[in-house]
Amino acid sequence: DAGITQSPRYKITETGRQVTLMCHQTWSHSYMFWYRQDLGHGLRLIYYSAAADITDKGEVPDGYVVSRSKTENFPLTLESATRSQTSVYFCASSELGAGGISPLHFGNGTRLTVT
Amino acid sequence: GQQVMQIPQYQHVQEGEDFTTYCNSSTTLSNIQWYKQRPGGHPVFLIQLVKSGEVKKQKRLTFQFGEAKKNSSLHITATQTTDVGTYFCAGPYGGATNKLIFGTGTLLAVQP
Repeated sequence: DAGITQSPRYKITETGRQVTLMCHQTWSHSYMFWYRQDLGHGLRLIYYSAAADITDKGEVPDGYVVSRSKTENFPLTLESATRSQTSVYFCASSELGAGGISPLHFGNGTRLTVT
Repeated sequence: GQQVMQIPQYQHVQEGEDFTTYCNSSTTLSNIQWYKQRPGGHPVFLIQLVKSGEVKKQKRLTFQFGEAKKNSSLHITATQTTDVGTYFCAGPYGGATNKLIFGTGTLLAVQP
């Protein structure tokens, strides 16, 4: 979907370094999410945000930090990267639909390699 | 913790054969969504089911939500090469309707 963009598309970093993955959406969706995708584990939720300045942990939050000062941006920071964080990271957004249910719109992903 | 499992993990079919993937949750779900991810791509929303026993169709795809709202299935009739990809189910996590936990996915390969 053109309305949600992730950067960079590819990133190689060293163990112990801090790295930030960017996510920007143009729909003004309330909800934003970060997932990681690994072989054998599918998509696992790292953090999500219901609105600006409101964030909450998902299934696998350890080692990650998020912030949401503006509705359109939801950066994900790995404070001290480890090899186990090598993965494909997907950002997603959704609006609050009827009954609180609405589909997720995913970005193209960031492939992160930690050496 | 809450889990959503899918079977099979992988299915290889000849073009024209049918395909079914099953999704099972450890907890009752208020709703379930299905996504498709093409190789090298990102997940794309297919459909959402809310009611117990609900059945929805999209051309050759039939989606079903179990009576107990703990399982779901996706059936593709007469597969085509364009159906190749990984199919994921997803349900609310921790009771929050908009925070989704994804199933493990089923990778479908279609041989022409």
